[in-house]
Amino acid sequence: QVQLVESGGGLVKPGGSLRLSCAASGSTFSDDYMTWIRQAPGKGLEWISYISRGGNTIYYADSVKGRFTISRDNAKNSLYLQMDSLRAEDTAVYYCARALYDRSGYYFDYWGQGTLVTVSS
Amino acid sequence: EIVLTQSPGTLSLSPGERATLSCRASQSVSSSYLAWYQQKPGQAPRLLIYGASNRATGIPDRFSGSGSGTDFTLTISRLEPEDFAVYSCQQYGTSPRVTFGPGTKVDIK
Repeated sequence: QVQLVESGGGLVKPGGSLRLSCAASGSTFSDDYMTWIRQAPGKGLEWISYISRGGNTIYYADSVKGRFTISRDNAKNSLYLQMDSLRAEDTAVYYCARALYDRSGYYFDYWGQGTLVTVSS
Repeated sequence: EIVLTQSPGTLSLSPGERATLSCRASQSVSSSYLAWYQQKPGQAPRLLIYGASNRATGIPDRFSGSGSGTDFTLTISRLEPEDFAVYSCQQYGTSPRVTFGPGTKVDIK
């Protein structure tokens, strides 16, 4: 059974930085496509970033492009999200999720429990 | 960007009743690349349906998905107590940039 455990959330001031981690187990992590998805309080889910198995293909949502950086360490079975220049609107629960391909598109079959990021002065 | 709209916003039903949830896309979702998730308070989403109508592993057969193009439906044939939750649809025809609907809350009448 795949398990994903996020950490690193917390309270940060606007303009600040935070690094989220996601520890994976129960699968061959290097075979998995991974993503970060967030959910603002009382709102729907928002996809924010994708990274391929080897880390050489990366995509971002426009809302975080240029401020957030996704990365992974397959030797440590870990996914990361470096968040810089944080804004109040980045306040959300951040989930890591495994992306599973259905032909040429992907959905999410395993999710972590989420970590809360609050951006406030 | 494909915008997903879900209706109703809240559905109040009793255990044993049938639930019909709608997900409408602003433009056609290619190849029925649509998934449904269930989310309970304080928990991560759980995959229910992918490819518009395929149940994920371990999902009971009271959950079914249908539709194509711009109109999709999730049906729960007989609500069990554990089914009261928020249900969200996701289109992945525009992968890697996928989008989610705002969710439908199914609560106890």
